[in-house]
Amino acid sequence: DAGVIQSPRHEVTEMGQEVTLRCKPISGHDYLFWYRQTMMRGLELLIYFNNNVPIDDSGMPEDRFSAKMPNASFSTLKIQPSEPRDSAVYFCASSLRGWGNYGYTFGSGTRLTVV
Amino acid sequence: AQSVAQPEDQVNVAEGNPLTVKCTYSVSGNPYLFWYVQYPNRGLQFLLKYITGDNLVKGSYGFEAEFNKSQTSFHLKKPSALVSDSALYFCAVRVGGSSNTGKLIFGQGTTLQVKP
Repeated sequence: DAGVIQSPRHEVTEMGQEVTLRCKPISGHDYLFWYRQTMMRGLELLIYFNNNVPIDDSGMPEDRFSAKMPNASFSTLKIQPSEPRDSAVYFCASSLRGWGNYGYTFGSGTRLTVV
Repeated sequence: AQSVAQPEDQVNVAEGNPLTVKCTYSVSGNPYLFWYVQYPNRGLQFLLKYITGDNLVKGSYGFEAEFNKSQTSFHLKKPSALVSDSALYFCAVRVGGSSNTGKLIFGQGTTLQVKP
């Protein structure tokens, strides 16, 4: 298995532009999580899905952020419009069952820089 | 509020010496606790977990963790550190949901530096 695949690995964009981050979870995993990592705030859970349905989006910073999971093998996190304070590393993780009975598997992350 | 804390930003040890990375938690009910490791420019990797049972949990790469209910702690340990253990370590706790749901919240992370 190739693991959790995120794209792009790096993204540099100008303030105000739309940014879309992509994630392919491990086949068969029924939970998908989006985390954001910054030096100041550490690792924050933004949203998670179970069987493609959003369960908890209380961590989504504001309406500029949206996430979708149209099927079991693909999810997107969109920021529109982007702002410099959105600069961070965004991780996607998947697991079989909710809290990681077998541990979460993380992707390598997308490093987003908004200038 | 449910939370997890890692009181040390950085831990420095010499290769071959034992290491401890500290974690304390605050949750309602029985805690489900986890340790993850992050190498530079990589995602987090699962090391070990405590759900129930023996208070000493063994995990990957020779790491173990000791659950202490009275002190609400779940410290990560290794008897003999390797330079390759140098990385960022995260403690996490499950909050909310039932036995198969909920989410993990992570501590701020502790950088482990093992010197030759």
